[in-house]
Amino acid sequence: KNQVEQSPQSLIILEGKNCTLQCNYTVSPFSNLRWYKQDTGRGPVSLTIMTFSENTKSNGRYTATLDADTKQSSLHITASQLSDSASYICVVSLQTGANNLFFGTGTRLTVIP
Amino acid sequence: SQTIHQWPATLVQPVGSPLSLECTVEGTSNPNLYWYRQAAGRGLQLLFYSVGIGQISSEVPQNLSASRPQDRQFILSSKKLLLSDSGFYLCAWGMGANYGYTFGSGTRLTVV
Repeated sequence: KNQVEQSPQSLIILEGKNCTLQCNYTVSPFSNLRWYKQDTGRGPVSLTIMTFSENTKSNGRYTATLDADTKQSSLHITASQLSDSASYICVVSLQTGANNLFFGTGTRLTVIP
Repeated sequence: SQTIHQWPATLVQPVGSPLSLECTVEGTSNPNLYWYRQAAGRGLQLLFYSVGIGQISSEVPQNLSASRPQDRQFILSSKKLLLSDSGFYLCAWGMGANYGYTFGSGTRLTVV
C-alpha cells in the first residue's frame, strides 16, 4: 500500500534553533519527493523536489535529504525564524498517472521567540 | 510564468445552499487539474482530477461534483451543501510526475 508518514506530528522550537522533520514512504514505483510549506489558511508552496538519484537539495535555510534505499527523507531547517512557523508536508509521486501524488499529514512547526 | 487563481478565499454558506468554487490557470496548456480538501489537522484528500476538458475523475463518493468547461478552468460544485462539506479546499495543477505541482491559495468553506 502506498503511504507517506511524517514525524513528529508537531514541534515547538526556539527561534534560532535547528530542527529536522522526517518522512518515510512506501510509494512505488517512486518518481520524486517534494517538501511543501503551508502557512495557516494558505496553499502549500514547494520548497524542494528530489528525484531517485538525488541525495540532498537545499533552498536557503532548508535542506532536504533523500535515502531511496530506506525510503526516508528529512527536511532540516537551520537557524529557525518566526516565519518558519507552518505545516511542512512531504509529498511522494509515482512514476506514471495523473493521480500519482501521495501526501503525508504534515508536521506542524511552531517557532517561538 | 504560470499562475493559478482560486476564489473566493473564504465562504460561509447555509446548509442546503449551492456551491461553486472556481480555479483558473494561466501560462500553460492542457494541465492536469486537481481539487483537494484538507480537514483541520489532516492531510490533503484528493477529491477530483482532470486530464483534459470534460474529463473528470472522482476519488471519493461525496456530495460534490467537478467540471472542466475550458482547458484552464476547473470548477467544484454542489447542489446542496452539507455541514460535513466544511473544510479548506485547494486547487492545484501539474504536468505530470516529473514536474512540480502548484497549489492555489485555498478556499475556506464553512457550512452553517
